[in-house]
Amino acid sequence: SQTIHQWPATLVQPVGSPLSLECTVEGTSNPNLYWYRQAAGRGLQLLFYSIGIDQISSEVPQNLSASRPQDRQFILSSKKLLLSDSGFYLCAWSVPRARNTEAFFGQGTRLTVV
Amino acid sequence: AQKITQTQPGMFVQEKEAVTLDCTYDTSDPSYGLFWYKQPSSGEMIFLIYQGSYDQQNATEGRYSLNFQKARKSANLVISASQLGDSAMYFCAIWTYNDYKLSFGAGTTVTVRA
Repeated sequence: SQTIHQWPATLVQPVGSPLSLECTVEGTSNPNLYWYRQAAGRGLQLLFYSIGIDQISSEVPQNLSASRPQDRQFILSSKKLLLSDSGFYLCAWSVPRARNTEAFFGQGTRLTVV
Repeated sequence: AQKITQTQPGMFVQEKEAVTLDCTYDTSDPSYGLFWYKQPSSGEMIFLIYQGSYDQQNATEGRYSLNFQKARKSANLVISASQLGDSAMYFCAIWTYNDYKLSFGAGTTVTVRA
């Protein structure tokens, strides 16, 4: 069966420090991968999505970047965090080229920038 | 481009009654899927129901049904016989098959009263 691992679960980082959040999917090949950010009580903002190891689309211009070093690994990074980067970060995957399957989410990372 | 709009930030419903959550969308892609997710206070994302753009019948999953009106570009979720455990945030999402981009609305918070 397929599983998604996202870590860490919580993170407190000072302003100006770097960030690296990792997401790994098991049990499937070439998944579509997504990174979302959710401010408290708000909706999910799509940050990046990837349909292949060399294909990453950025939705929101900001100080975040994403990489896909392996087929089932998706990393969200920042060189210098801002206070506004605080939020709940969710990674998700979906079956490639499938038309009637949902996206599966990780447990999320609560990031607080202080 | 794709867009999802949920205009109800919060709703109250009496236990055992039905509630309808509104969702409208916009996309130029003729092939797409519509999803509803539930997010309890724990933060996990729970898939509820899916509707494909070419599906002729409205989707149903237990107490959840999707009122799909393609011409109006709406995909409202109906929860029948509300339970206290239904209290959560509910998100509508659209998935376009041209690029597998998955975008979410702002969400609706549902509070079920005993």
